[in-house]
Amino acid sequence: DQQVKQNSPSLSVQEGRISILNCDYTNSMFDYFLWYKKYPAEGPTFLISISSIKDKNEDGRFTVFLNKSAKHLSLHIVPSQPGDSAVYFCAASSNAGGTSYGKLTFGQGTILTVHP
Amino acid sequence: DAGITQSPRHKVTETGTPVTLRCHQTENHRYMYWYRQDPGHGLRLIHYSYGVKDTDKGEVSDGYSVSRSKTEDFLLTLESATSSQTSVYFCATGGQLRTQYFGPGTRLLVL
Repeated sequence: DQQVKQNSPSLSVQEGRISILNCDYTNSMFDYFLWYKKYPAEGPTFLISISSIKDKNEDGRFTVFLNKSAKHLSLHIVPSQPGDSAVYFCAASSNAGGTSYGKLTFGQGTILTVHP
Repeated sequence: DAGITQSPRHKVTETGTPVTLRCHQTENHRYMYWYRQDPGHGLRLIHYSYGVKDTDKGEVSDGYSVSRSKTEDFLLTLESATSSQTSVYFCATGGQLRTQYFGPGTRLLVL
């Protein structure tokens, strides 16, 4: 039972254009969502997050949109740069407290390639 | 990024051999996590710790054990390594907020 899904294994975009990465989730208890970027042979790096009380969060070229009714979030990168080429993971956290606080469930990842 | 180191960074071992991976953090974060990354599966949680000597299982815990005797160290042990445990292992830490910070990873090959 995959609670967080990234249905596009890969995405190819031209430099300067918009990259849109998508993520769907099934667990209605998820209330905090994150995107991570991962380069080969490195650990994932935190990119941006959004709480379920918001529908948009922006940080420079990166914007995350959350559609709670559709259980869908997306990451927009504008403009895309060759250095953005990496694997992008979305992750979700539920509002469970106690010892389960902060546990993340990850999607399978999307490989983004930005061509010069 | 939180100061997280993992050792070893690469390891080749044989089936049936015990293996211990170490994660060390300098951020005094309460929570620590071990994940494995495999093609098509993203990152899957193996075990996590919510304090010294306090640990719990994740979604793929079979064949793994963990220990946390100090805030800064979290050990992952494969009691008897199998080829299905060939993977890249990541340690992560988390503080009061729900963002996790990852180490550089350990690439493990079980022959």
